[in-house]
Amino acid sequence: KAGVTQTPRYLIKTRGQQVTLSCSPISGHRSVSWYQQTPGQGLQFLFEYFSETQRNKGNFPGRFSGRQFSNSRSEMNVSTLELGDSALYLCASSLAPGLERAPRFGPGTRLTVT
Amino acid sequence: DQQVKQNSPSLSVQEGRISILNCDYTNSMFDYFLWYKKYPAEGPTFLISISSIKDKNEDGRFTVFLNKSAKHLSLHIVPSQPGDSAVYFCAASSSGSARQLTFGSGTQLTVLP
Repeated sequence: KAGVTQTPRYLIKTRGQQVTLSCSPISGHRSVSWYQQTPGQGLQFLFEYFSETQRNKGNFPGRFSGRQFSNSRSEMNVSTLELGDSALYLCASSLAPGLERAPRFGPGTRLTVT
Repeated sequence: DQQVKQNSPSLSVQEGRISILNCDYTNSMFDYFLWYKKYPAEGPTFLISISSIKDKNEDGRFTVFLNKSAKHLSLHIVPSQPGDSAVYFCAASSSGSARQLTFGSGTQLTVLP
């Protein structure tokens, strides 16, 4: 079974621009969550989507948004990029609520903001 | 405030010996705990998990112990192998937000040949 895939793997953007990252979950997984990893803050939860609806949201500004499509694929968007948004963005997928609770992670997208 | 803490940033162990990685938590609502292994430039790989109704879970060389009264869990790797060298993250979640994981800061494990 193929794992979680994320595109692109690497991205360089300029301050003030916006960026869209994509995630395809493991086949059959309907929940997708996003995390940000930085050296200073570690791994932090951004948000989670299930059935095209945001179910949980972490403590991030409104510049960070996401969506999920009917095929469970998800995108996250960051607008008005700041230098501090440079990070590894990780997507994880899980089965439906109430089932196995161990999210499986993709390889991540390394975003560099200059 | 850090709800999940891994107080040892690094640990070195001789090949074949036991590796013990520790994790403490403060949130009493956490009822599910996980360990992930991470290599640089890769996503975390799920290793093993434990529900709060258990105090031990075993999977091959990996065993996780949970002490609810102390709000402490540990991961034992026996025997340790050089390929186990990686950063290990402890994570926790609660039933109300089952797929929202709170991570510790990680422990770099180095297994020396």
